[in-house]
Amino acid sequence: GDSVTQMEGPVTLSEEAFLTINCTYTATGYPSLFWYVQYPGEGLQLLLKATKADDKGSNKGFEATYRKETTSFHLEKGSVQVSDSAVYFCALTYANAGGTSYGKLTFGQGTILTVHP
Amino acid sequence: DGGITQSPKYLFRKEGQNVTLSCEQNLNHDAMYWYRQDPGQGLRLIYYSQIVNDFQKGDIAEGYSVSREKKESFPLTVTSAQKNPTAFYLCASKSVWGATGEQYFGPGTRLTVT
Repeated sequence: GDSVTQMEGPVTLSEEAFLTINCTYTATGYPSLFWYVQYPGEGLQLLLKATKADDKGSNKGFEATYRKETTSFHLEKGSVQVSDSAVYFCALTYANAGGTSYGKLTFGQGTILTVHP
Repeated sequence: DGGITQSPKYLFRKEGQNVTLSCEQNLNHDAMYWYRQDPGQGLRLIYYSQIVNDFQKGDIAEGYSVSREKKESFPLTVTSAQKNPTAFYLCASKSVWGATGEQYFGPGTRLTVT
């Protein structure tokens, strides 16, 4: 079955440091890939997405590139801020709701990021 | 503003009692989902519905029940049969015609059962 594996956390950085959170996946088809962010006590917000190989998703200074050859979708940001402190989830789904996919999101376990001033 | 609302934000119940969590969306989405989140874990799918009056079990449906009588609403009942009900519950929705498959999440309900 499909699965998503994220790097172990928590990750602690100083403000303006470079961020990488690794995400790899196994999939039986050609999924769409997502990064969601969860701030304390809140629901998940979509951070960025990519729907096919070599697509780059970007938002709020974060980027991730869909790498089919390495089955990866690593999240990066050049200069983190204290306000980026949150839990980050990598996830995959199949956009076509037909067949047995039913649009289920398969999540990684989440990576806690803490940014200090 | 379009979005998903969940109520209440915090819910406390005694063991042995059933409890119903509310989820409402005004995004005109056909598909709705319930996920459970436990500390240090990703989200796990409880139930989903792609159309009114139809729903399917997800990966951890035991001890839960749902209904989908209206497109906008997808309430989740946590029954006394759920062995470990204390968790953060998240509702989501998506358009079945969406090209990318992303889901939109509500703010969640934190259920504590003692």
